Amino acid sequence: GQNIDQPTEMTATEGAIVQINCTYQTSGFNGLFWYQQHAGEAPTFLSYNVLDGLEEKGRFSSFLSRSKGYSYLLLKELQMKDSASYLCAVRVDNAGNMLTFGGGTRLMVKP
Amino acid sequence: GAGVSQSPRYKVAKRGQDVALRCDPISGHVSLFWYQQALGQGPEFLTYFQNEAQLDKSGLPSDRFFAERPEGSVSTLKIQRTQQEDSAVYLCASSFAGGAGGGIYFGEGSWLTVV
Repeated sequence: GQNIDQPTEMTATEGAIVQINCTYQTSGFNGLFWYQQHAGEAPTFLSYNVLDGLEEKGRFSSFLSRSKGYSYLLLKELQMKDSASYLCAVRVDNAGNMLTFGGGTRLMVKP
Repeated sequence: GAGVSQSPRYKVAKRGQDVALRCDPISGHVSLFWYQQALGQGPEFLTYFQNEAQLDKSGLPSDRFFAERPEGSVSTLKIQRTQQEDSAVYLCASSFAGGAGGGIYFGEGSWLTVV
């Protein structure tokens, strides 16, 4: 099976930078996803990493180290609307696009 | 449609009642997934279809849970004799088959409360 760990809650200040970490243990790794989920809404796709390194997309970046089983999501220039849960999910070989999720990190952005 | 559509959006069921939750995936998406999400937790996998074939149902918590996708498009998740621990959000997701990153889209979920 897969084991995915991420912090339960984080707090940061508007305009700042925050890094949300995710560690995983899995066999047959085939990609790591980050989703954003506002309360009562659907998870929405943020980023996808399958090779080591940094993927940058506007204010959001995601990093992957396969050898360490480690990823992080970096959010820059935080805005109040970034207050949400951030879900780390792993896809494995031979499971189609089935994702295994961590418990999510609830981020609160304060003025 | 433009996205994954789920109904009902909210459902209150009395304990012991049967419920049926519907998912209408994005047109042309071969793969369809059901997840269960308890309050404050991440989604947990229930079952997976490729077209009409149910390829994995290892996440269904008991034999009270049943899913079908008879024509390879719309899917229904049925829960028989609901119990309070079934209270959760049931999320449906769809994608094309294969490994393209990011092409997995979620519906807004059906919120089930068992009283």
